[in-house]
Amino acid sequence: AQSVTQPDIHITVSEGASLELRCNYSYGATPYLFWYVQSPGQGLQLLLKYFSGDTLVQGIKGFEAEFKRSQSSFNLRKPSVHWSDAAEYFCAVGPKEYGNKLVFGAGTILRVKS
Amino acid sequence: GAVVSQHPSRVICKSGTSVKIECRSLDFQATTMFWYRQFPKQSLMLMATSNEGSKATYEQGVEKDKFLINHASLTLSTLTVTSAHPEDSSFYICSAREAGQQLTEAFFGQGTRLTVV
Repeated sequence: AQSVTQPDIHITVSEGASLELRCNYSYGATPYLFWYVQSPGQGLQLLLKYFSGDTLVQGIKGFEAEFKRSQSSFNLRKPSVHWSDAAEYFCAVGPKEYGNKLVFGAGTILRVKS
Repeated sequence: GAVVSQHPSRVICKSGTSVKIECRSLDFQATTMFWYRQFPKQSLMLMATSNEGSKATYEQGVEKDKFLINHASLTLSTLTVTSAHPEDSSFYICSAREAGQQLTEAFFGQGTRLTVV
């Protein structure tokens, strides 16, 4: 079965510190992988995606993620967190064949302390 | 990037009434739209896949007679929550994928907060 695991429900980091949000997936074929951010009461904004090619992908707002097939992981990173990054982050996986029928992880809430 | 507009952003309705939520792709044509539901402090769960001009495909456990989906054009899909009850209160989000595009993500609307009282 397809699944996405985000093991950290909450993470708190200091402003300016580095950030890594973990994402592991279980998928039967080559996955398409996504990271989305959601501010309270808002929809989802795509941070970055991986379809193929270079396993280190760059996204918006200074985020990057690395696809590691051997570990079934797609962790999100940012070298220096800003207070405006406080939000909820969702990792998602989807198949090529079915468009974007996505399976989402449970989400990680990021708190940034000044 | 492409824009998906969802309307309304918030709605409060009385128990037993029906509510319609619209999802529009503003600057592209979407053959496929997806409807998700998000419970408080939980992730998004796919409810159904809506294809233009055909019946929607519902996920297991989703009542198709309760959540009516219509995708009458390439830019509009609607979700109607019929005979709403308090347990239907949730955050509903749609996404749309551009027609003919193989390697692209789906774009999400801003969501609709439904409260049934």
